[in-house]
Amino acid sequence: GAVVSQHPSRVICKSGTSVKIECRSLDFQATTMFWYRQFPKQSLMLMATSNEGSKATYEQGVEKDKFLINHASLTLSTLTVTSAHPEDSSFYICSARDWGDQPQHFGDGTRLSIL
Amino acid sequence: GNSVTQMEGPVTLSEEAFLTINCTYTATGYPSLFWYVQYPGEGLQLLLKATKADDKGSNKGFEATYRKETTSFHLEKGSVQVSDSAVYFCALSDGPRGAQKLVFGQGTRLTINP
Repeated sequence: GAVVSQHPSRVICKSGTSVKIECRSLDFQATTMFWYRQFPKQSLMLMATSNEGSKATYEQGVEKDKFLINHASLTLSTLTVTSAHPEDSSFYICSARDWGDQPQHFGDGTRLSIL
Repeated sequence: GNSVTQMEGPVTLSEEAFLTINCTYTATGYPSLFWYVQYPGEGLQLLLKATKADDKGSNKGFEATYRKETTSFHLEKGSVQVSDSAVYFCALSDGPRGAQKLVFGQGTRLTINP
């Protein structure tokens, strides 16, 4: 149980393109979803926390207009990287939690490469 | 703020060796503690957790004990396998109940040679 599916697993696109990444909880209702960014050989950096039906809470230094997060249902959250540039290239990972203090369950990540 | 510090990697061992990956934390209150494992090109998988002092989390031969007196949560395995090669992250839960976030250590890359 507690499976989180993230799609796509890899994206390569040109500079200036907007890219949408989906995160779905397959067998539980995700009250809260998290979006992380991971640079090579580094730890995960929390970008934002989203609760179903409300606006995402962004961590300090993360541009809200650059990284649009939507959590419209209890099983789906999306991250859109708008007008992506090479410096946005990274590994993006989502996680989901059903309620309260339950552990987060992670997707397999999306490797984004901007040319 | 709360933080997690892991031993520097990378760590390279031979198969069947004993493994210890050190993890210490700084926190106010009583966080839950976690070990996550990340295989190449994948997201993180929860390996084990402990929610209060002296709890021992265990899974797949790995174990870690929540030591409040030393603020530690060291990961151990008695006999590692090649398939254990991965990056291991220690983490703690941070924030008020119901709104907790994870704070990760920097990760320790483990390579097991046959």
